[in-house]
Amino acid sequence: AQTVTQSQPEMSVQEAETVTLSCTYDTSESNYYLFWYKQPPSRQMILVIRQEAYKQQNATENRFSVNFQKAAKSFSLKISDSQLGDTAMYFCAFSTSGTYKYIFGTGTRLKVLA
Amino acid sequence: EAQVTQNPRYLITVTGKKLTVTCSQNMNHEYMSWYRQDPGLGLRQIYYSMNVEVTDKGDVPEGYKVSRKEKRNFPLILESPSPNQTSLYFCASSKLRVQDTQYFGPGTRLTVL
Repeated sequence: AQTVTQSQPEMSVQEAETVTLSCTYDTSESNYYLFWYKQPPSRQMILVIRQEAYKQQNATENRFSVNFQKAAKSFSLKISDSQLGDTAMYFCAFSTSGTYKYIFGTGTRLKVLA
Repeated sequence: EAQVTQNPRYLITVTGKKLTVTCSQNMNHEYMSWYRQDPGLGLRQIYYSMNVEVTDKGDVPEGYKVSRKEKRNFPLILESPSPNQTSLYFCASSKLRVQDTQYFGPGTRLTVL
């Protein structure tokens, strides 16, 4: 069975600092995609960043970047220069092109402190 | 404005009373999906649809039904709701490529007494 694990239920970081959120997954598939979604207090789910498994280069989107370790099945999210607006629940997610099913982790609640 | 809409946003009902949560998207997306969000469990996929009349089960389909008669609409039906279906429900849509961005609706908070 495919699983996604987020082992940090809650984290906090000072404004302007850097924080890393962890995610591990388990699959026997070779072609898959990984995502980080953000859910602010408004509850609106927003895609932050995605990574294609066959690409070795780590994805980046402005202040957000990932550390994708395929052999270790690890997909962490790094947020640089944290801002108050980054306060949210962050979900790691996984999907394969063969199934169109999505598996989400249990989430990490991040609080950015002023 | 490109969006996914859900109705109602909040619903309190009683055990056994059939209900439907509507979902509509205006982006001509082929793929639509329903999730439930529960504390400590994250999001779990209930059902998904890859196009009109094509639906499949996610990880937690028991107690739910869906239909996809039109491309833009994907209603979630609870024929006999039970208290364990109290949850926050999200509808999402995307193009038919798994790597494409899923656009989520605003969520429906359902309480079953």
